[in-house]
Amino acid sequence: EAQVTQNPRYLITVTGKKLTVTCSQNMNHEYMSWYRQDPGLGLRQIYYSMNVEVTDKGDVPEGYKVSRKEKRNFPLILESPSPNQTSLYFCASSSRGPPVSNEQFFGPGTRLTVL
Amino acid sequence: AQSVSQHNHHVILSEAASLELGCNYSYGGTVNLFWYVQYPGQHLQLLLKYFSGDPLVKGIKGFEAEFIKSKFSFNLRKPSVQWSDTAEYFCAVNAAGSGTGGKLIFGQGTELSVKP
Repeated sequence: EAQVTQNPRYLITVTGKKLTVTCSQNMNHEYMSWYRQDPGLGLRQIYYSMNVEVTDKGDVPEGYKVSRKEKRNFPLILESPSPNQTSLYFCASSSRGPPVSNEQFFGPGTRLTVL
Repeated sequence: AQSVSQHNHHVILSEAASLELGCNYSYGGTVNLFWYVQYPGQHLQLLLKYFSGDPLVKGIKGFEAEFIKSKFSFNLRKPSVQWSDTAEYFCAVNAAGSGTGGKLIFGQGTELSVKP
């Protein structure tokens, strides 16, 4: 089954304790992206990757890191989490074509609480 | 910079009522347009998309949307809602381009509550 998976689904942590949220897709997609969802703000892009070893900042990259060493995986790293990073996080992937799609497939989400 | 605006933050309807959710975007070039739905506790799922061609697009579960280029709008409609349509709806836009994948710019979301 074609899917994007994220782990963990729920995480409660404390300020400053490094954490990693994993994201994996099995559709051979080149493009992967991380978003955070906050009430009243919709989804905002954190980082994206056009392909292996190619990553770039989105709209809200502060406090986050990513890596893309393999095509299928795109982990999100919070080196020193702070309470303002409490949010719902989504990973997404899409094909760069052909055929050109631009439709992004989303993972199930990771609900992060930073105390 | 691209932006997407959804006019209604929370819509409450009774079953069988008609639905229209507004979405306007700001971008001067060619765009791809999407509506996603997020049911309570679930991830985003694609309802429908517009890339080119007929501006009236039909999606899953009886939803449709009309792209009006002159108004920079992509409103979502359904003639008769059901209780199971209770969800949050997101309009999203990205700049069209061959093989770019592409960043999605999302609207703030509209929460739809359908009363049985």
